Amino acid sequence: GAGVSQSPSNKVTEKGKDVELRCDPISGHTALYWYRQSLGQGLEFLIYFQGNSAPDKSGLPSDRFSAERTGGSVSTLTIQRTQQEDSAVYLCASSFEGHTGELFFGEGSRLTVL
Amino acid sequence: AQSVSQHNHHVILSEAASLELGCNYSYGGTVNLFWYVQYPGQHLQLLLKYFSGDPLVKGIKGFEAEFIKSKFSFNLRKPSVQWSDTAEYFCAVKGAGGNNRLAFGKGNQVVVIP
Repeated sequence: GAGVSQSPSNKVTEKGKDVELRCDPISGHTALYWYRQSLGQGLEFLIYFQGNSAPDKSGLPSDRFSAERTGGSVSTLTIQRTQQEDSAVYLCASSFEGHTGELFFGEGSRLTVL
Repeated sequence: AQSVSQHNHHVILSEAASLELGCNYSYGGTVNLFWYVQYPGQHLQLLLKYFSGDPLVKGIKGFEAEFIKSKFSFNLRKPSVQWSDTAEYFCAVKGAGGNNRLAFGKGNQVVVIP
């Protein structure tokens, strides 16, 4: 498709389980971001990939969170041993030019941890 | 790293009223500035952006924003709102150049009453 694609759109899991969230950016976009959106908290930056540079992981809230981007395209955000406070909408965005370009957002993956 | 402050997180106003949303940022260098909007049930999309030149920027749907460098501000305005402007509005800042990431404010929830 033409836009940023995220899957699953909704995920309900039990506390302690691992989850994987997938992002397929717009073809040719060199920059990819993961954000977390919680009610009243705005968009919390998680991780930023730009081309072949080392990712900026400074926003990951704990070592239970990790992300990778394979072949400069698809990215997977993994949350291990999920906790209730991980419940949020996880947003992926991509950009053609990492340092000036407009971000194009996906629909998000809503994670609910019971 | 840059940070963004948005005030008046919840705004309720009537149609035809004027809207102004404040955005202040902290960053020592040249910045790129953005306003994103999220309509109910939709993904985030760009409303307008400032990179350089005329500090008064016009965006979609009659919105405009003014960059005041001395005040580190990028306030969003619309002279006369419509019911369809009901949405959440996010200000975002990126340090120009390099691998600087995009930082978002906590957002303004705007409700326009018909």
